[in-house]
Amino acid sequence: GENVEQHPSTLSVQEGDSAVIKCTYSDSASNYFPWYKQELGKRPQLIIDIRSNVGEKKDQRIAVTLNKTAKHFSLHITETQPEDSAVYFCAASLNSGYALNFGKGTSLLVTP
Amino acid sequence: EAGVVQSPRYKIIEKKQPVAFWCNPISGHNTLYWYRQNLGQGPELLIRYENEEAVDDSQLPKDRFSAERLKGVDSTLKIQPAELGDSAVYLCASSSDDRGTGSYEQYFGPGTRLTVT
Repeated sequence: GENVEQHPSTLSVQEGDSAVIKCTYSDSASNYFPWYKQELGKRPQLIIDIRSNVGEKKDQRIAVTLNKTAKHFSLHITETQPEDSAVYFCAASLNSGYALNFGKGTSLLVTP
Repeated sequence: EAGVVQSPRYKIIEKKQPVAFWCNPISGHNTLYWYRQNLGQGPELLIRYENEEAVDDSQLPKDRFSAERLKGVDSTLKIQPAELGDSAVYLCASSSDDRGTGSYEQYFGPGTRLTVT
């Protein structure tokens, strides 16, 4: 089955700096890669996603890049703010309607 | 639109007792998922439904876990008997099979935090 690895497990940055979280996956058949943000005690919420026919996608301060050959994808957050502090999960899936295979999460702390 | 609804939000039971969780997905979403999230980990799939049919239950511990999705809408997940290791957050999610819009998003409910003592 699919195995998703995520690094780092914790990340601390100063407000205004950039944060990068990296994930690798094992199943070359995976073609959907979402990123979820989960605040303490809350539900995971989708912040951005990318499909395998796209190499990069950007939404305001958040961007995701995908390298299908190397089987890795990354989340980039620019101009970080304290409210970006949360746990971020990457995931991989075969397609729409299939299970998401999650990484172990990255706890991001943005200090003022 | 209303999000995915789950109840109860919290449940504390003694080991060997039964427990049930309920999920109401977003209206019109035909695919429903139950995930388990252990502390400090990402969610892991237990079972996936397409309408009433369980199409992926390979990760469901069938000796003690059962699930149903009658009429292809609401779903219940049951554990009987519960063990200490079942303490976790049980998340329900739903998605629509709407390839026309290209929507892949799975929407998660708030989860049920189960503590087995």
